[in-house]
Amino acid sequence: QKEVEQNSGPLSVPEGAIASLNCTYSDRVSQSFFWYRQYSGKSPELIMSIYSNGDKEDGRFTAQLNKASQYVSLLIRDSQPSDSATYLCAVRPFKAAGNKLTFGGGTRVLVKP
Amino acid sequence: DTGVSQNPRHKITKRGQNVTFRCDPISEHNRLYWYRQTLGQGPEFLTYFQNEAQLEKSRLLSDRFSAERPKGSFSTLEIQRTEQGDSAMYLCASSRNGLGDGELFFGEGSRLTVL
Repeated sequence: QKEVEQNSGPLSVPEGAIASLNCTYSDRVSQSFFWYRQYSGKSPELIMSIYSNGDKEDGRFTAQLNKASQYVSLLIRDSQPSDSATYLCAVRPFKAAGNKLTFGGGTRVLVKP
Repeated sequence: DTGVSQNPRHKITKRGQNVTFRCDPISEHNRLYWYRQTLGQGPEFLTYFQNEAQLEKSRLLSDRFSAERPKGSFSTLEIQRTEQGDSAMYLCASSRNGLGDGELFFGEGSRLTVL
């Protein structure tokens, strides 16, 4: 079992719709969770972090965390073509050195005009 | 804040040659990380420095790989006797000291192609 798992996609959504991305993790005691966006040929950039159960909203993005189910999700509302990218779920393991993160394989999102 | 800088951005080499990548982190960041990313995969952790000390190395980092951060500022990643399987994007990231929010700031990466 991979430490962090994501559906590779592509997830195709029409412009203006909600994109829903899911991520599961294996380390039950992980405390910190992140979503990074990576455009093709570019480096990952942080878009959301979440540390406690529930929802966290930032603009059009909402992260959801359920530690009991070891599940993190990202919702993108009013999806735009510029949201087309790969979204990486990252987890900081409990005994991580520094701020070391473990990444999932990413979900590719395609927003169609 | 000029961000994390990596060079060269692209490197094409023949199998068996040695290559070296350089990373200049954000100036006030004590922590520096190297990751490797292949097409369609997420970044895989290679190694981590706190100042000049290399505190963790992944088992992915074979004996052909060595990383240094001699003065706690820039870092180098050297791959000796390159193999075709080493072809990947090598990403450097840095972060602040302390627990913080865990944000890693990534450089644009160094893409290695081994022929």
